[in-house]
Amino acid sequence: NAGVTQTPKFRILKIGQSMTLQCTQDMNHNYMYWYRQDPGMGLKLIYYSVGAGITDKGEVPNGYNVSRSTTEDFPLRLELAAPSQTSVYFCASRLHTSGRTHEQFFGPGTRLTVL
Amino acid sequence: DQQVKQNSPSLSVQEGRISILNCDYTNSMFDYFLWYKKYPAEGPTFLISISSIKDKNEDGRFTVFLNKSAKHLSLHIVPSQPGDSAVYFCAASPSSGAGSYQLTFGKGTKLSVIP
Repeated sequence: NAGVTQTPKFRILKIGQSMTLQCTQDMNHNYMYWYRQDPGMGLKLIYYSVGAGITDKGEVPNGYNVSRSTTEDFPLRLELAAPSQTSVYFCASRLHTSGRTHEQFFGPGTRLTVL
Repeated sequence: DQQVKQNSPSLSVQEGRISILNCDYTNSMFDYFLWYKKYPAEGPTFLISISSIKDKNEDGRFTVFLNKSAKHLSLHIVPSQPGDSAVYFCAASPSSGAGSYQLTFGKGTKLSVIP
């Protein structure tokens, strides 16, 4: 299993440009998440999904959109990039079962700079 | 309003000694706690967890202690090794109900183990 994969690893955007951060997991996890991590800060939840076709906002959703058409993929869309969106973005997934279910598996991250 | 607090941004420890990382939480609904380890340019990886029905959980060199009355948990690493040098994040979640599929993260503590 590759686990959670993210592309691209790095990206520089100009203000106002748009892009999609890709996330794929091959563990058949039903829950998926997008976080951002700013320097010296913890991970803040942007959006999450509990299954295909179902998404919901997290703590910091403004400026982002998501979709979940399949179990495997959970892309994050930035429509009008702003310098405040300069961050490292992590995708994560989790299997929903009884017992120890809270462990989330993270991808390697995408480092985004908006200039 | 931080619900999970890691008040020490950094910690330096000699190789072979004990590392103690602390975490405090304010939300009384949290009853499941996790520690994640993060190396530079990688995603966080799960380290150890504890449910509120326990006050201690061990996994090899890593032990997590939970003091529910004080809303405090700590991660002990004994003995510390240079490869343990990383940022450690504390995370918390309710075990059921609304929010049980989300994790709330602290800001992290950077551990440096000096050879």
